[in-house]
Amino acid sequence: EAQVTQNPRYLITVTGKKLTVTCSQNMNHEYMSWYRQDPGLGLRQIYYSMNVEVTDKGDVPEGYKVSRKEKRNFPLILESPSPNQTSLYFCASSSGTSGGAEQYFGPGTRLTVT
Amino acid sequence: GESVGLHLPTLSVQEGDNSIINCAYSNSASDYFIWYKQESGKGPQFIIDIRSNMDKRQGQRVTVLLNKTVKHLSLQIAATQPGDSAVYFCAEKNDYKLSFGAGTTVTVRA
Repeated sequence: EAQVTQNPRYLITVTGKKLTVTCSQNMNHEYMSWYRQDPGLGLRQIYYSMNVEVTDKGDVPEGYKVSRKEKRNFPLILESPSPNQTSLYFCASSSGTSGGAEQYFGPGTRLTVT
Repeated sequence: GESVGLHLPTLSVQEGDNSIINCAYSNSASDYFIWYKQESGKGPQFIIDIRSNMDKRQGQRVTVLLNKTVKHLSLQIAATQPGDSAVYFCAEKNDYKLSFGAGTTVTVRA
């Protein structure tokens, strides 16, 4: 089944404790992206990757890192999480950046930073 | 994404009626516009998209209209069903970036 998976689905952590949220897709998609969703703000793009070893900042990259060492994986790293990073995070992938290539979203990771 | 003047955060629709969800976008250079549906506890799901050189596109029970003059996008859902209850987001794509609006919550009344 074609899908985007994220782990963990739920995470409660403390300020400053490094964490990684994994994202994996099995569709051989070139493009992958991370979003955060906050009430009243919709989804905001954190980082995106056009292919292996090619990443770029989205609209809200501060406090986050990403890597794209393999085509299927695109982990989101919070080196020193803060309470303002409490949010719902989505990973997405698509077959290309040109045109309206349909983005497939993962199920989301709800992160709480205390 | 949506602007305050055109965007309604909630929409209540009688089952069987047609729904119209509006969205104002901000970047005239955006080349694609996409509508997503998000059900409770799930990630957004692609509904339909439209290229910037088009003004209308139809899918199954859905139609997207694009008015570039006023930077307005709408999604029409025909014969709204209970399963259409969800949050609907418009998004504009510019180069590699995708920007989402705040979303409209659609509730279908039986």
